[in-house]
Amino acid sequence: QKEVEQNSGPLSVPEGAIASLNCTYSDRGSQSFFWYRQYSGKSPELIMFIYSNGDKEDGRFTAQLNKASQYVSLLIRDSQPSDSATYLCAVNIDGGNTGFQKLVFGTGTRLLVSP
Amino acid sequence: ETGVTQTPRHLVMGMTNKKSLKCEQHLGHNAMYWYKQSAKKPLELMFVYSLEERVENNSVPSRFSPECPNSSHLFLHLHTLQPEDSALYLCASSQEFMTGSGANVLTFGAGSRLTVL
Repeated sequence: QKEVEQNSGPLSVPEGAIASLNCTYSDRGSQSFFWYRQYSGKSPELIMFIYSNGDKEDGRFTAQLNKASQYVSLLIRDSQPSDSATYLCAVNIDGGNTGFQKLVFGTGTRLLVSP
Repeated sequence: ETGVTQTPRHLVMGMTNKKSLKCEQHLGHNAMYWYKQSAKKPLELMFVYSLEERVENNSVPSRFSPECPNSSHLFLHLHTLQPEDSALYLCASSQEFMTGSGANVLTFGAGSRLTVL
């Protein structure tokens, strides 16, 4: 089982719709979860992070975390063509004997928002 | 300059060449990272430095050699690379190195696109 799994997409939504991006992870001990956006040919940029179960909202973006189900999602309301990008889920995974946690990324979900 | 800057942005090299990638962060962060991004694969962590000390070497081949002379600069020295090493190499920094007490947000540079012929 991969440490962080995402559907590669593309996920196609019309402008103005809600885009729902999902991510599952394998390490039950993970405490920190991140969503990054990566435009084609660009580097990843942080959208938001979440530590606690439940929802966290920031503008049009809502991150949802369910640790019992090992599931984190990102909702984008009122999707715009400029939201078209690859969305990377990243999770802190226990590094074992090293004593530190490492940030593990999923392969990303490509989102296409059509005008 | 602000943020994390990487040079060169594009590099083409032969398998016998020696080259270096450079990263500089202007954020006052204490930790720096090298990631490799290949098509259809997740970002792979290669090296982590915290306060100029290497704390992670993620089973990376010795043909990749990192160097961190101070907390603002990070290099990746390349020699006798293989065509499968062609990828986007991303440098990132964070305020503190990630420990079990919490996580930290990564700021990425624009990346160096490497092509090995």
